[in-house]
Amino acid sequence: DAKTTQPTSMDCAEGRAANLPCNHSTISGNEYVYWYRQIHSQGPQYIIHGLKNNETNEMASLIITEDRKSSTLILPHATLRDTAVYYCIVRVGRAAGNKLTFGGGTRVLVKP
Amino acid sequence: NAGVTQTPKFRILKIGQSMTLQCTQDMNHNYMYWYRQDPGMGLKLIYYSVGAGITDKGEVPNGYNVSRSTTEDFPLRLELAAPSQTSVYFCASTSIWTSGSPDTQYFGPGTRLTVL
Repeated sequence: DAKTTQPTSMDCAEGRAANLPCNHSTISGNEYVYWYRQIHSQGPQYIIHGLKNNETNEMASLIITEDRKSSTLILPHATLRDTAVYYCIVRVGRAAGNKLTFGGGTRVLVKP
Repeated sequence: NAGVTQTPKFRILKIGQSMTLQCTQDMNHNYMYWYRQDPGMGLKLIYYSVGAGITDKGEVPNGYNVSRSTTEDFPLRLELAAPSQTSVYFCASTSIWTSGSPDTQYFGPGTRLTVL
């Protein structure tokens, strides 16, 4: 699976959009981009995933560049409850075991 | 649906003791996983299973054993607890693809283990 690079931490103002970048320059054509988040002491929670098209759901939007070497997770109106560690994961679709490899993630602090 | 449940929530062990961390899912998922998370770090895969009777090692399997006799249960066994196994343990499950893209993993609430 391709390796990802994320900033260690970032702050965001409550009510503003939070834009979380992720670099995955060695991504292969059959690898998906996944985002999970982990609120303090809880199990990780799935947010969104995509292959090459931009995706949106009730939680967030995922913007993938045309060359697929980077992506941005957008939380449109950040709330205090969005304070968490956000993990960007790149994974081959039908790989053996559907395993996830977690890096260090980005620690996001939403401030009032 | 309770999702993925784990017991116990907390446990303190003495060095050399053994214990089993329980994990159960009620979503009829084929795949189940055990991760550990050390303070300030990301999750690391210990073992996983693609179905009843089938298990395989992950990134950090040493000191652990697993079994999968049913679809629902995936217990993790520590035989001789060591301080290095102090961590938070998460169980997760997912299903085989049905929609053409990788299915997401659903995580349990975790077991916080301290070995003294």
